[in-house]
Amino acid sequence: DTEVTQTPKHLVMGMTNKKSLKCEQHMGHRAMYWYKQKAKKPPELMFVYSYEKLSINESVPSRFSPECPNSSLLNLHLHALQPEDSALYLCASSQALSGAFTDTQYFGPGTRLTVL
Amino acid sequence: AQSVTQPDIHITVSEGASLELRCNYSYGATPYLFWYVQSPGQGLQLLLKYFSGDTLVQGIKGFEAEFKRSQSSFNLRKPSVHWSDAAEYFCAVGRKAAGNKLTFGGGTRVLVKP
Repeated sequence: DTEVTQTPKHLVMGMTNKKSLKCEQHMGHRAMYWYKQKAKKPPELMFVYSYEKLSINESVPSRFSPECPNSSLLNLHLHALQPEDSALYLCASSQALSGAFTDTQYFGPGTRLTVL
Repeated sequence: AQSVTQPDIHITVSEGASLELRCNYSYGATPYLFWYVQSPGQGLQLLLKYFSGDTLVQGIKGFEAEFKRSQSSFNLRKPSVHWSDAAEYFCAVGRKAAGNKLTFGGGTRVLVKP
């Protein structure tokens, strides 16, 4: 089973709201990722977690706050977003960042975020 | 720095015809290469990957890809497309040293004519 689940599927929020996106996997993967994808563009990496610790932050604004409470769960907390943050937010997971080879990343279906 | 180029933004193909999507990469070390497919409003599904070994790789849904080091290419092929193959296709290079970061190409949108 290579399933990554994301909730909610769709989210509409105002610029003053606080909301959270959730990602879950039960494949025993120890690396998890957040990507942002604008329309007609490839995904852009935001954050990487390895063994529940933040490994990479691609200079993402602080209004995006990731959290990895356990090895199966990854959250993205949103606060004071801008309309230009509207996008598809994708979560992915892979076995681990250690080892000889680049690990295969498995993606969830995404959360379509609209900021009004 | 690594980069991935997908020269074709759009491709239209008739149902039952063959399909080839081009991917060229620039990377100093041994590349780890992936093809993903994305249906509208959906996440990315892994079609196939190349890490080492046989340069012709078989994937899901009848797709295959061939790694050609001399041409820095990793082209995706399917002998006979189905209407359900209409989607966006992304080629990507993975880099272990950079935290398993994937660098994606710009994508190729495939339209299938009946």
